[in-house]
Amino acid sequence: NAGVMQNPRHLVRRRGQEARLRCSPMKGHSHVYWYRQLPEEGLKFMVYLQKENIIDESGMPKERFSAEFPKEGPSILRIQQVVRGDSAAYFCASSPLPLAGGRSSSYEQYFGPGTRLTVT
Amino acid sequence: SQKIEQNSEALNIQEGKTATLTCNYTNYSPAYLQWYRQDPGRGPVFLLLIRENEKEKRKERLKVTFDTTLKQSLFHITASQPADSATYLCALGSGQAGTALIFGKGTTLSVSS
Repeated sequence: NAGVMQNPRHLVRRRGQEARLRCSPMKGHSHVYWYRQLPEEGLKFMVYLQKENIIDESGMPKERFSAEFPKEGPSILRIQQVVRGDSAAYFCASSPLPLAGGRSSSYEQYFGPGTRLTVT
Repeated sequence: SQKIEQNSEALNIQEGKTATLTCNYTNYSPAYLQWYRQDPGRGPVFLLLIRENEKEKRKERLKVTFDTTLKQSLFHITASQPADSATYLCALGSGQAGTALIFGKGTTLSVSS
């Protein structure tokens, strides 16, 4: 059973370019979360999506950042007009559809290896 | 605002000893707490989950306690090994299925032989 896949693993962009980060959740998982990890900082929640829906984007900057999780294909985190401050590791996590009764396994999140974005 | 603090940024111990990591939180009432391990250049890996109505959870050499009165969790690794060297992250969850976790900055554990 393949884990969460993210690509590219490393991405270098010049200031002003666009960055597209992809995440394929684990098979059978319909919840996707994006987190950002800045150097010396903890993981910060950005956005939570289910198929074709954004459920919670409270952690996402209002400008330049967008996310989607289409019916077919991976989830995409898109950063337009990147700036140096966007340099960070971006992690995607997935979890299975919550089961009735709140079994603890519903709350585990499985993380991908991350995409390290460097803006020059 | 919600705040999570992990006791120290770095912890150095000798092989065979028990490592104890602390996670404190304020302005939050989590339904559960999770611990993750993160190695350099990799994504976090889930280790243990403990719910608010549980006092202690064990898994092999790992033990987690959860005190909702003190708003604190302790994470213990017994008989530590150099392979346990990593950063350990504490994360809080609200209990609503599918909601995002709130993470601490992590404690980097180094186990020397």
